Amino acid sequence: EVQLVESGGGLVQPGGSLRLSCAASGFTFSNYWMTWVRQAPGKGLEWVANIKQDGSEKYYVDSVEGRFTISRDNAKNSLYLHMNSLRAEDTAVYYCVCGRFGRLDFWGQGTLVTVSS
Amino acid sequence: QAVVTQEPSLTVSPGGTVTLTCGSSTGAVTSSHYPYWFQQKPGQAPTTLIYDASIKHSWTPARFSGSLLGGKAALTLSGAQTEDEAEYYCLLSYNSARLRIFGGGTKLTVL
Repeated sequence: EVQLVESGGGLVQPGGSLRLSCAASGFTFSNYWMTWVRQAPGKGLEWVANIKQDGSEKYYVDSVEGRFTISRDNAKNSLYLHMNSLRAEDTAVYYCVCGRFGRLDFWGQGTLVTVSS
Repeated sequence: QAVVTQEPSLTVSPGGTVTLTCGSSTGAVTSSHYPYWFQQKPGQAPTTLIYDASIKHSWTPARFSGSLLGGKAALTLSGAQTEDEAEYYCLLSYNSARLRIFGGGTKLTVL
């Protein structure tokens, strides 16, 4: 059974940094593209970034380009999202999503990031 | 940047049929946009219903189907059940899948 468990969310001040983690199990992590999707409170879904199986390709939505970095550790079956220069508009539940061939098939339960002073 | 459009809300009667659509500001939606459909119920993470416009996952109820229709991606629910009341999101890929954009979501009421 595919399981994705996000962690690392919390309250952070504007301009601060945070690192989200996603622990994966139940599948061969190194064979899957991985994606972060977020959802602001009461709002819709927003695709944030994704990373190829070996980390050689990474893509970002414009609003986080240069501030967020997606990475992975295939030895630890883990996905990360390093978030810098956080803004109020980054407040959201962040979901980890996996899928073969770059698809979005399985979702984690999400972790809440709140950017506020 | 492209904008992906969905109906904000739709209502269907139990047992009825409804079609949700997903359009792109850049023109017709094609198979090259690799359209997805997701279902999200209140307080839950989304689940993936349809990918590549019409391919279902093993867990997708048979009453859901996806297609390309009139320049848009479409999700048709035939034989609606009360448990299908949820928010539905589409997702389109752009620039050889280097960028993906969600639609704003359709709140489906079964009443």
